[in-house]
This record gives sequence, C-alpha cells and structure tokens, in this order.
Amino acid sequence: EPEVTQTPSHQVTQMGQEVILRCVPISNHLYFYWYRQILGQKVEFLVSFYNNEISEKSEIFDDQFSVERPDGSNFTLKIRSTKLEDSAMYFCASREGAAGELFFGEGSRLTVL
Amino acid sequence: RKEVEQDPGPFNVPEGATVAFNCTYSNSASQSFFWYRQDCRKEPKLLMSVYSSGNEDGRFTAQLNRASQYISLLIRDSKLSDSATYLCVVQGDSSYKLIFGSGTRLLVRP
Repeated sequence: EPEVTQTPSHQVTQMGQEVILRCVPISNHLYFYWYRQILGQKVEFLVSFYNNEISEKSEIFDDQFSVERPDGSNFTLKIRSTKLEDSAMYFCASREGAAGELFFGEGSRLTVL
Repeated sequence: RKEVEQDPGPFNVPEGATVAFNCTYSNSASQSFFWYRQDCRKEPKLLMSVYSSGNEDGRFTAQLNRASQYISLLIRDSKLSDSATYLCVVQGDSSYKLIFGSGTRLLVRP
C-alpha cells in the first residue's frame, strides 16, 4: 500500500541550528502539507503546497520556516534557526485532490535543546 | 470561538458500551468533514468521512448537522482496540487546509 515516508524519525538539535525534515509523499498525490503536534496538544496546520507553490500557511509558519519540492518526489520543511518551542512532532501529509482523505507520514520528532 | 471544538474527555467505558462524541465548528461555509483516529505517539489515520446524509461503517456512525454546525461519531459495541484519541477534522469551502480539533480521548476497559 502506498505511504507517505518521513525522515528522520527523530532529530535532536541545538537551539539556533538549521533543521531540514524530509518527506516523500504518495506518488500520484498533488497536494502536500506539513502539520505539527507539540506533545499533548492538538495537530496544527503549518502549510499547504500545490503546483510548486505554497497555497496556504498558518501564523506559525513564519520567516523561519520554508518548504521546498526540490525534485519530483521529495517535499522538505526547513527551520532556519530552531527555538526551544519548535520541539514537536512534525507530520507530512499528502492527498490526491483538493478534497478527500489526507494521508499522513509517521512523523519526525524534533527535539531542540 | 475555536475553529473546531471537541470535549477532550477522557471517556472511560466498558467493553461493549456505546459511546458518542460531538464536535462543533465555527465556519458555516465548511464543506468537508472527517473523523480521524490517533493512537498514542502515532500519526492520525482516517476513520471515516462524514456525509450530509450521515453514514455508517460497521460499528461506527457519523452524523452532520449543518444548521447547528456540529458533527457526531457514535461507536457501538466498543472494543479494547477502540482506545485512542478521536479527532474531528473540518475543511473550509475555499481552503486546502484541514483543521483539527484537539481530540477526544477514549479508554475502553475490560
């Protein structure tokens, strides 16, 4: 069964360092997303991406965040200068169309020290 | 008012019980509705979509009330494996993003 894959599964970094989280969405999907979930809190929307550009972003997705689809398969989330409060589980998700089921990867746990 | 609001629970029920969760949403123009399930420290997974006419999938029944802007999920004959957090998810009419509620935790005990 096709799945969304994410790497790394866990990353520990020092405050102020840059982090890149990688995702491979399901191959025929056109809409890509990043969500985050701070431990014990809700799943929060960060950004959606379609047709090689950001379609929507939340207030959380400030200038420290960027996304890229550098080739036909990868979808990356970069945090330029991590803060302690960036510690969370980051989920990549994709869907085939603008509606319908959103498929999630298993997440990348980011710990900022 | 929160975009999507749920009772956090936990709901602690015995095996075999029937349990119902409600969810309210603030954007009256929302078009798509879902229930997702999330196990501890795992990714959310789709449980079922919610259609205007209501829909059933085995022991699970979802209902939508557009006038009152609420969605419900009914679980019949609860199993131990139903223990999880149930997430109400809403998509607006002109938006690609899905907004998640904070989830309702269900514990099914033997």
